[in-house]
Amino acid sequence: GESVGLHLPTLSVQEGDNSIINCAYSNSASDYFIWYKQESGKGPQFIIDIRSNMDKRQGQRVTVLLNKTVKHLSLQIAATQPGDSAVYFCAENMDAGGTSYGKLTFGQGTILTVHP
Amino acid sequence: DVKVTQSSRYLVKRTGEKVFLECVQDMDHENMFWYRQDPGLGLRLIYFSYDVKMKEKGDIPEGYSVSREKKERFSLILESASTNQTSMYLCASKSDRGLSNQPQHFGDGTRLSIL
Repeated sequence: GESVGLHLPTLSVQEGDNSIINCAYSNSASDYFIWYKQESGKGPQFIIDIRSNMDKRQGQRVTVLLNKTVKHLSLQIAATQPGDSAVYFCAENMDAGGTSYGKLTFGQGTILTVHP
Repeated sequence: DVKVTQSSRYLVKRTGEKVFLECVQDMDHENMFWYRQDPGLGLRLIYFSYDVKMKEKGDIPEGYSVSREKKERFSLILESASTNQTSMYLCASKSDRGLSNQPQHFGDGTRLSIL
């Protein structure tokens, strides 16, 4: 889940396990959500997105689930690999009739560590 | 693939200096963004631009300005650098064409230290 303060939530898994990373978003009017992966020393990398008219979307080894009732987003990574170790954070956008220019609000992130 | 390039990975400047951070994207994106990323505070939007010569303040614009003279280039300017501007600066770009919502794509950041 998301955090306040300096300490990010952490998730440690064994290689080959499935990982689930959670995010509670803040704005019930948000209609677009993105998951990013940030490796040490690099910028955030787009993983997968989902629009509010969907509740599930699948990519390669990743699935995003959206529960608008409780304003909750999750990222599932199948068969987690050491290369998946990174900080993962969600972002939300409220389109506001097309005038938001795609501004995003970001969560604090979760540190995923995958042990060989 | 989208390529967002930030001109410097690491930069050290002195208090009071005028600092320029440059960002270039190669996908003809309309929208460009500057963020700073600090431990415990996440990504915070400084400024963004939705067209050439257009700019909008983000959440923390104080002490910064921006310039967008060409579509592919978006510059962040620290008018008089201060130690509290030591941070990781991230540039992003996003297309406005096609789907109403599209992801932002990020550069690898500039780690700026103000001494």
